[in-house]
Amino acid sequence: GESVGLHLPTLSVQEGDNSIINCAYSNSASDYFIWYKQESGKGPQFIIDIRSNMDKRQGQRVTVLLNKTVKHLSLQIAATQPGDSAVYFCAHGGNYGGSQGNLIFGKGTKLSVKP
Amino acid sequence: GAGVSQSPRYKVTKRGQDVALRCDPISGHVSLYWYRQALGQGPEFLTYFNYEAQQDKSGLPNDRFSAERPEGSISTLTIQRTEQRDSAMYRCASSYSASGELFFGEGSRLTVL
Repeated sequence: GESVGLHLPTLSVQEGDNSIINCAYSNSASDYFIWYKQESGKGPQFIIDIRSNMDKRQGQRVTVLLNKTVKHLSLQIAATQPGDSAVYFCAHGGNYGGSQGNLIFGKGTKLSVKP
Repeated sequence: GAGVSQSPRYKVTKRGQDVALRCDPISGHVSLYWYRQALGQGPEFLTYFNYEAQQDKSGLPNDRFSAERPEGSISTLTIQRTEQRDSAMYRCASSYSASGELFFGEGSRLTVL
């Protein structure tokens, strides 16, 4: 069945260091993956996405890597800042003729940035 | 509006009562989604609409849950005969198109006593 999970529930990093958050998925047919950031008391906020025809995608200070062989997804945050402290979720997009609405979320990793 | 708006932000009700949660999506967004999020967990898909058409309701837990979006804008999620296990944060999201990025609201926290 489809499931998305995370290797590490918590991650603590020093300000300025790079952060890596990992995620595993079980459905080899998955073709769309997204990372969300959720700050306390707020809704999830889109960070970056990647489709299965790619293995790397970069945004502003963030990079998503997809390894389809081992069904693994990671989010790299460069020069982590205190404002990056949040819970990070990976999610797999469902397939409804292109709709990404049925997202299957993992449990989340809490990132804490130490000043 | 500037973002997805949900109301009420907090709802406390007694077991057996019906509740209605409202979502006002970002203006012009075609697709609207309902999710439920337990504390410490990721959101769980419930249902979604394109315009006024409910495209998928496979995530609704049982027939006490229903949703509508009659004019293709505001949506209401209704839970009948609430039970304690229904207590959760209910989140709405919208997207400009069916394949677009989802923007989540701040949620409606439901507590069933």
